[in-house]
Amino acid sequence: EIVMTQSPATLSVSPGERATLSCRASQSVSSNLAWYQQKPGQAPRLLIYGASTRATGIPARFSGSGSGTEFTLTISSLQSEDFAVYYCQQYNNWPRWTFGQGTKVEIK
Amino acid sequence: QVQLVESGGGVVQPGGSLRLSCAASGFTFSSYGMHWVRQAPGKGLEWVAFIRYDGSNKYYADSVKGRFTISRDNSKNTLYLQMNSLRAEDTAVYYCASRVINPNDAFDIWGQGTMVTVSS
Repeated sequence: EIVMTQSPATLSVSPGERATLSCRASQSVSSNLAWYQQKPGQAPRLLIYGASTRATGIPARFSGSGSGTEFTLTISSLQSEDFAVYYCQQYNNWPRWTFGQGTKVEIK
Repeated sequence: QVQLVESGGGVVQPGGSLRLSCAASGFTFSSYGMHWVRQAPGKGLEWVAFIRYDGSNKYYADSVKGRFTISRDNSKNTLYLQMNSLRAEDTAVYYCASRVINPNDAFDIWGQGTMVTVSS
């Protein structure tokens, strides 16, 4: 099983600032990496797939990068609605999809 | 619009059974593989099971293999998860999810989830 490790566990950021979240895979997942946002009481929402492609309707302030084992999600200027938990997921090791443990982005 | 709606959650005793349903609408259900994903209270996401578009192949996480069965009825646009021999650690919100909108295998549609509580 591919283990996905996210860091940090919690990120404290002021509105308008940049947030950088990291995700590391225990072995290469090529570019088969997605990022999800989850707010309390809601289902996850797909933000990024293919490591760097924004899903339909996702604002341009969200960007993804990386390949192989190291990935980054960047939120260029945090808005109030962006405070949430973010998960990375690999879908390269089919059919064993795995998620990271999540990074909580909170208001500083 | 594209929508998934889960139902069937509830409280069940350890060792008991429960069947979850996921009703799909707004897309050609019979063309897409479907997943179940769960989230224990205060915890992260865990993939549970996958079924191919025609039901020909099914895959399970090791934590549920032999106890849970995924199935689908394409004539009813509905996905199921039969859960037997339930344990306290199966307590979670269960989501159905799929890849429908984007040309990729990430999960781009999710239901709202249904809560399963295993407790005596």
